[in-house]
Amino acid sequence: GENVEQHPSTLSVQEGDSAVIKCTYSDSASNYFPWYKQELGKRPQLIIDIRSNVGEKKDQRIAVTLNKTAKHFSLHITETQPEDSAVYFCAASRGGKLIFGQGTELSVKP
Amino acid sequence: DTAVSQTPKYLVTQMGNDKSIKCEQNLGHDTMYWYKQDSKKFLKIMFSYNNKELIINETVPNRFSPKSPDKAHLNLHINSLELGDSAVYFCASSQVGGGGWTQYFGPGTRLLVL
Repeated sequence: GENVEQHPSTLSVQEGDSAVIKCTYSDSASNYFPWYKQELGKRPQLIIDIRSNVGEKKDQRIAVTLNKTAKHFSLHITETQPEDSAVYFCAASRGGKLIFGQGTELSVKP
Repeated sequence: DTAVSQTPKYLVTQMGNDKSIKCEQNLGHDTMYWYKQDSKKFLKIMFSYNNKELIINETVPNRFSPKSPDKAHLNLHINSLELGDSAVYFCASSQVGGGGWTQYFGPGTRLLVL
């Protein structure tokens, strides 16, 4: 079955710096790759997603890149702010079944 | 105006008891899911229903039984609760028909088994 590896498990940056979180997946048939942000005690919330027919997608300070050949996808957050502090999850999906990475705890220090 | 809602929000119970968690979505979606988030924050899919039909059934003990009375509701019944069942259980929904793959999560039910 699908396996998703996510790195790093923790990431600390200074406010204004960029943050990059990377994921790899094993099932080449996966065709949908969402990223979720989960604040402490809250539900996971979708922040950006990408489908397998697209290589890059950007939404303001957030961007996602996908390399289907290498089975890698990454989340890029620019100009980080303290409110970006949360746990971020990548996921890979085929047929609606989301397989999540282990999560990255991002801490943005003012 | 909550899109995906769950009850109860917190559940504290003794080992061996039976409990249920309810989920409702008002987004008109055709597919609903249950996820378990353990103490290490790992999110794992348990079940999925599409138009009341079970389509995903991961390796979950048969003490867990989902039920979908209609496509807006998905309940989870747990028999003979064990300490290891302590976790946060999230319901989610999506509109798979028509290519809508985004899953929207409920607020979670925090289950503590003593």
